Amino acid sequence: EIVMTQSPATLSVSPGERATLSCRASQSVSSSLAWYQQKPGQAPRLLIYGASTRATGIPARFSGSGSGTEFTLTISSLQSEDFAVYYCQQYNIWPLALTFGGGTKVEIK
Amino acid sequence: EVQLVESGGGLVQPGRSLRLSCAASGFTFDDYAMHWVRQAPGKGLEWVSGVSWNSGFIAYADSVKGRFTISRDNAKNSLYLQMNSLRDEDTALYYCAKDSGSGVVGPTAVDSWGQGTLVTVSS
Repeated sequence: EIVMTQSPATLSVSPGERATLSCRASQSVSSSLAWYQQKPGQAPRLLIYGASTRATGIPARFSGSGSGTEFTLTISSLQSEDFAVYYCQQYNIWPLALTFGGGTKVEIK
Repeated sequence: EVQLVESGGGLVQPGRSLRLSCAASGFTFDDYAMHWVRQAPGKGLEWVSGVSWNSGFIAYADSVKGRFTISRDNAKNSLYLQMNSLRDEDTALYYCAKDSGSGVVGPTAVDSWGQGTLVTVSS
């Protein structure tokens, strides 16, 4: 089983500032890494796949980087609608399949 | 527009069974792998199970292996999750989720989600 570890658990940021979220895999997942945003009472939304490719309709202020075991999601200038919980997720061949990280909550400072 | 509508959740006693269904529309169902992902109250996301486009590949999280069975009916554009020997720790909102690929080699990112169906296991 591949374990995904996200840090920090909570990130306090002021609107307009940059937010940097980290995700570490227990073994290499190459670039098979996705990021999701989840707001209270809503289903998750895909932001990034392939470690760095933005999904359809995702603003350019969201960017992903990394490969192997270390990954980063950067939100360049936080907007009010960006305060949410963010999850990383690795995807692999069957039966390893999918694993989510524990999440990072981005809250207003 | 992709639509995924889950049903079948409810209150069930420990040790009993429940079957979840997901009705899919707005895309060619048999072109894509599908998953069940759950979220316990106030907790993070946990992948439960996934199935490739033609059911050739199926996988489960260790926490449900041997108790849950995923299946799909491409003729009915439907995904199912048979849950047996339910435990308190299975209490969660269960999401039906569409993979962005067919799952021929493995799953990829999940690009669409339903709104979830709540399963509560309690005596």
